[in-house]
Amino acid sequence: KQEVTQIPAALSVPEGENLVLNCSFTDSAIYNLQWFRQDPGKGLTSLLLIQSSQREQTSGRLNASLDKSSGRSTLYIAASQPGDSATYLCAVMDSSYKLIFGSGTRLLVRP
Amino acid sequence: SAVISQKPSRDICQRGTSLTIQCQVDSQVTMMFWYRQQPGQSLTLIATANQGSEATYESGFVIDKFPISRPNLTFSTLTVSNMSPEDSSIYLCSANIQSGANVLTFGAGSRLTVL
Repeated sequence: KQEVTQIPAALSVPEGENLVLNCSFTDSAIYNLQWFRQDPGKGLTSLLLIQSSQREQTSGRLNASLDKSSGRSTLYIAASQPGDSATYLCAVMDSSYKLIFGSGTRLLVRP
Repeated sequence: SAVISQKPSRDICQRGTSLTIQCQVDSQVTMMFWYRQQPGQSLTLIATANQGSEATYESGFVIDKFPISRPNLTFSTLTVSNMSPEDSSIYLCSANIQSGANVLTFGAGSRLTVL
């Protein structure tokens, strides 16, 4: 059974810092990995999608990497801003097309 | 781009009652998925709803508690039966609406509070 773990569970950083969020998964048989953002009381916003054949994706200040063989992904946020404060969720699509979510990292960027 | 609509967006329910959540997709999709997000938690898959067959439930979820209908390729319902305060959650519908891509798009969710 696929299990997705995210570390750390919570993170508080001063504005301007570069930071890394980690995601690991137990079964490397995935179609893709996706990073989402969720603001309090809101729905999911898709940030980056990495197909299983890809190593990384970039969007603005965000960069996500994927090492399928080791079951790891990282989300790198450059020059963090208070507006980046949210919960970040990692999810992998398994061989049954189900999306399995990690428990999330709650990020607070302090002004 | 295709849209997934859910209703109700939120509701307050009494213990012991049942509530049906509707999910409408504006394109035909093979599989639809229902997720639950309990307060402060991540998303957990409840079941996969395929048109023309019974839903497939994940461990810990049963049809009697969460009956699902999938009458056609654009619509599904999830009923939360005999609700208790522990059922207070956000329930989200999702589907693969991007042709040729294995990407799930999510509805905005239905926030249920059970008193």
